[in-house]
Amino acid sequence: ETGVTQSPTHLIKTRGQQVTLRCSSQSGHNTVSWYQQALGQGPQFIFQYYREEENGRGNFPPRFSGLQFPNYSSELNVNALELDDSALYLCASSQDRGWDGYTFGSGTRLTVV
Amino acid sequence: AQSVTQLDSQVPVFEEAPVELRCNYSSSVSVYLFWYVQYPNQGLQLLLKYLSGSTLVESINGFEAEFNKSQTSFHLRKPSVHISDTAEYFCAVSAASGGSYIPTFGRGTSLIVHP
Repeated sequence: ETGVTQSPTHLIKTRGQQVTLRCSSQSGHNTVSWYQQALGQGPQFIFQYYREEENGRGNFPPRFSGLQFPNYSSELNVNALELDDSALYLCASSQDRGWDGYTFGSGTRLTVV
Repeated sequence: AQSVTQLDSQVPVFEEAPVELRCNYSSSVSVYLFWYVQYPNQGLQLLLKYLSGSTLVESINGFEAEFNKSQTSFHLRKPSVHISDTAEYFCAVSAASGGSYIPTFGRGTSLIVHP
């Protein structure tokens, strides 16, 4: 098992810009979810991909989008960045849609200035 | 929809003392329950989970949690804490929705262990 790896670890962007965050899921995991964790808060669900198709979405606007690839990697794209998008973004992978829990990456700390 | 309430935002305790971190949930369907731990500048690690069977579940580092359906609770306990247990603890609940199980997290409890 290689775990879940995310890149980059830190990122600073300017309001209005676009950003792409990347995640490599644990081998054999066909489900990936993305979460936003603001300072002092619990993770908030953004969306989930299962076998390369989106199959669940939280209360986030369409400027948050994603992709999952056949090699278990995935991306989170955020357009038109706002100051409130500053947060830790967590990727989590699981087998079979997450019924028995998720393996999380260490996250990408995004700062929007 | 599910929700999770972690009743304490911060729990200070001395080393070797017992601790309980409280978690209550609400759901109209059967749920799976989890505790995750987050150390500074790291992602979340699964600590323990209740899926079915025995209502008392244990982790490898001495934590345990008990599923209480009537009280809709899943409190986390440890009889004797160590300095290294200082971390943020998140309770999460998930239920089947469209074939997926997407956890809803509480706001977290910061466990601070003093020497």
